[in-house]
Amino acid sequence: AQSVTQLGSHVSVSEGALVLLRCNYSSSVPPYLFWYVQYPNQGLQLLLKYTSAATLVKGINGFEAEFKKSETSFHLTKPSAHMSDAAEYFCAVSDLSNFGNEKLTFGTGTRLTIIP
Amino acid sequence: DADVTQTPRNRITKTGKRIMLECSQTKGHDRMYWYRQDPGLGLRLIYYSFDVKDINKGEISDGYSVSRQAQAKFSLSLESAIPNQTALYFCATSDVPGELFFGEGSRLTVL
Repeated sequence: AQSVTQLGSHVSVSEGALVLLRCNYSSSVPPYLFWYVQYPNQGLQLLLKYTSAATLVKGINGFEAEFKKSETSFHLTKPSAHMSDAAEYFCAVSDLSNFGNEKLTFGTGTRLTIIP
Repeated sequence: DADVTQTPRNRITKTGKRIMLECSQTKGHDRMYWYRQDPGLGLRLIYYSFDVKDINKGEISDGYSVSRQAQAKFSLSLESAIPNQTALYFCATSDVPGELFFGEGSRLTVL
């Protein structure tokens, strides 16, 4: 079974500071990893994904994530936080090698607050 | 108009009532999903469908049923609602595995 663990249910950073949201995965097969963002009163939207092509993945709104197999991690970063980044972020894992049975398993989420 | 539309957006009901949440999409995707979101628990998969004739249980299907009426429509039913089914429900679609498009959610309160 696959799972992801998001360390820290709440993270606060000052505007302009580095954003670091942590995600560790557990998978018996090479994982496909995703970050989704949920703005207030909205559904989730895809931020970025890792599907084994490149270990450093760039997403929308200046976010990026690095796949580190040795650490089983896929942390999300952004060099400089903006007020509009305030949202809840979800890490997710999928076994896409199991074609026809692809499902996402989500982490419990990290709420990011930006301090002016 | 939203690509994935959920109705109703908010619903308050009583224990024992039958409730249906509806989802329609204009993206032309074959894959559709129903998730439930609870604070501190993230999203959990209830049911999913890879085409009109394919329905699969997710990790928390007990107490729920679904119907895939057409490629564009996927409804979720609670036959006899109970308070611990109070949650935010999301419908999602995809045509690329792992890349989901979500509706805005249906907030259900069971008293």
